[in-house]
Amino acid sequence: AQSVSQHNHHVILSEAASLELGCNYSYGGTVNLFWYVQYPGQHLQLLLKYFSGDPLVKGIKGFEAEFIKSKFSFNLRKPSVQWSDTAEYFCAVNPGGSQGNLIFGKGTKLSVKP
Amino acid sequence: KAGVTQTPRYLIKTRGQQVTLSCSPISGHRSVSWYQQTPGQGLQFLFEYFSETQRNKGNFPGRFSGRQFSNSRSEMNVSTLELGDSALYLCASSLLTGANEKLFFGSGTQLSVL
Repeated sequence: AQSVSQHNHHVILSEAASLELGCNYSYGGTVNLFWYVQYPGQHLQLLLKYFSGDPLVKGIKGFEAEFIKSKFSFNLRKPSVQWSDTAEYFCAVNPGGSQGNLIFGKGTKLSVKP
Repeated sequence: KAGVTQTPRYLIKTRGQQVTLSCSPISGHRSVSWYQQTPGQGLQFLFEYFSETQRNKGNFPGRFSGRQFSNSRSEMNVSTLELGDSALYLCASSLLTGANEKLFFGSGTQLSVL
C-alpha cells in the first residue's frame, strides 16, 4: 500500500538552528508532493508543493523542500528557525498526480525554544 | 473571506448511533474533501465531492457516506458508530477537483464515541 513516512515524531530546536524534517514515500510512479503545516490553534494550511521541474521548491516563511526521486524523499528545510515556526508539519503525496486524495504522513511536531 | 466552517465543533455519541457532520466550503469553492484524523493512523482520506458528485473515495467501510448540495455545502454521515470512529473529522475545500489543488481546511469536528 502507498504510504508516507515522517521520520521524527517530535523535534525540539533552539531559535536560529537549522531544520530538516524527513519525508519518504512509497510509490514508484509520478507523484505530486506537499508539505502542510498546522500552527497552534489554527487550521492546516499549505506550506509548499512540488509537481514538476526544479526539485528544489520554495514555500512560505522561508521554508524549502527538495525532491530526490532516487530516494523517494521530499525533505523540508529551513536555515534558521524562529519561535513562530512551532507547529506540526505534515508531508503528503498525491500518487499518480491526478487522484483526488492525498496520503499524509503522521506529522512531525516542531517545538522551537526562544 | 470566510474560511471553511465545520459544525458542530464537538460531538459525543454512543455506539450504534449515527451522526451527521456538516461542512460549508469557502465561497466559490466547488470541491469538498473529508479526512479522518486519529493519533494512531494520522490523516486518512474519506471522500471528495465536486459539483454534487462523489469523485473519489478512500478505503473506509460503507457506514461512512457523504453528499454535497447544490450550494457546495457537504455533509458526511456515519451510521452504526463504533468506538474506533472516535476521531477529528476534517473538511477541506478547493476551487476545483483534485488533490493538486490547494486545500483549505476547516477546524474539524471532534467526534467521541462512548
